[in-house]
Amino acid sequence: DQQVKQNSPSLSVQEGRISILNCDYTNSMFDYFLWYKKYPAEGPTFLISISSIKDKNEDGRFTVFLNKSAKHLSLHIVPSQPGDSAVYFCAVPIQGAQKLVFGQGTRLTINP
Amino acid sequence: DAGVIQSPRHEVTEMGQEVTLRCKPISGHNSLFWYRQTMMRGLELLIYFNNNVPIDDSGMPEDRFSAKMPNASFSTLKIQPSEPRDSAVYFCASNLRWNTEAFFGQGTRLTVV
Repeated sequence: DQQVKQNSPSLSVQEGRISILNCDYTNSMFDYFLWYKKYPAEGPTFLISISSIKDKNEDGRFTVFLNKSAKHLSLHIVPSQPGDSAVYFCAVPIQGAQKLVFGQGTRLTINP
Repeated sequence: DAGVIQSPRHEVTEMGQEVTLRCKPISGHNSLFWYRQTMMRGLELLIYFNNNVPIDDSGMPEDRFSAKMPNASFSTLKIQPSEPRDSAVYFCASNLRWNTEAFFGQGTRLTVV
């Protein structure tokens, strides 16, 4: 039972364009969301987060949007750079269970 | 701090053998997680500890898998006996509290032949 879903296994974007990665969740009580980035042969690293009291959080080229009514969040990268090519995971802490669960990941490829 | 340290980085073993993966969390972190990365499920949570106590092991696939955390600076994930379908990358992560940013090790790539 996936509580966090990333329905696009892969995404290919031209360098300089905008990359949009999507994530859906099942429980409207979730109140904090994180995005991680993973390069091959490395562990995932934290990228950006958002609290449910906000609908947008921006950090440089990275912006996360939260649509609580749709239970959907998205990560925007603009402009996309070749170094952004990686697997991106969304994650949510599950209150009560006190654990951090991840989506399946989306492999982003930025083409020169 | 050197971050979360996992060993070995790579492990190749024969089916039926025992495999032990090791993790040293970041000093001061209270939660430790073991994840397995697969194509189908992404980062699958196997088990996690809070203050060295196992909280939820419902993600452990079978009784062949076991995990321990004898102290705040060390944890192991053991597979006995190992099977080819256990081949995957296993990650250990730690954080200050369960709902904060988690820091990952570089992972152990396990191949069971």
